[in-house]
Amino acid sequence: EAAVTQSPRSKVAVTGGKVTLSCHQTNNHDYMYWYRQDTGHGLRLIHYSYVADSTEKGDIPDGYKASRPSQENFSLILELASLSQTAVYFCASSDAGRDQDTQYFGPGTRLLVL
Amino acid sequence: GDSVTQTEGPVTVSESESLIINCTYSATSIAYPNLFWYVRYPGEGLQLLLKVITAGQKGSSRGFEATYNKETTSFHLQKASVQESDSAVYYCALGDTGYQNFYFGKGTSLTVIP
Repeated sequence: EAAVTQSPRSKVAVTGGKVTLSCHQTNNHDYMYWYRQDTGHGLRLIHYSYVADSTEKGDIPDGYKASRPSQENFSLILELASLSQTAVYFCASSDAGRDQDTQYFGPGTRLLVL
Repeated sequence: GDSVTQTEGPVTVSESESLIINCTYSATSIAYPNLFWYVRYPGEGLQLLLKVITAGQKGSSRGFEATYNKETTSFHLQKASVQESDSAVYYCALGDTGYQNFYFGKGTSLTVIP
């Protein structure tokens, strides 16, 4: 069964509303990541975490918050959703050991902000 | 800066034909870059196809192969005879042992016609 799951798989949100995207992993990995992908662009890192109760900013953190309440769960929060945040969001996890650069991805969440 | 450029899609190939998806990289801040190919099948998350961490080495998986060429800063993906089940989006990626430094290409959508 899938080791990284995301919910919801798709969402329509209104501008200015709050959106929470959830990610759950059963890989027992320490590291977790949130990426977004826009049409015609590669994945870009928003936030990541290497331990529960701690998060770090990635390359494009503005407009996003992250929360890592446990090793298994990592949420991405859009406090005030904007049109520019329409994208596909991917969560990933990786091991802390020598294989930490191999990431395991969820299926993605398609977010449409209107 | 650090970046990855890959073949613009979509790419359409007939079954049993050969395939090459080009990937070139720029790694100005990563001393020892690792190179990856990920694949995303419809409805699923990205999954690692192959990974090479040493320049000059070749990685292979599921009939695909790619050689890490430091001189030409390339990591092209090749397959001698594609199958319909290879239809997917392929992503070239660049990373290092620092988990926060990970760069994806835009992805190349491949359709294999039976």
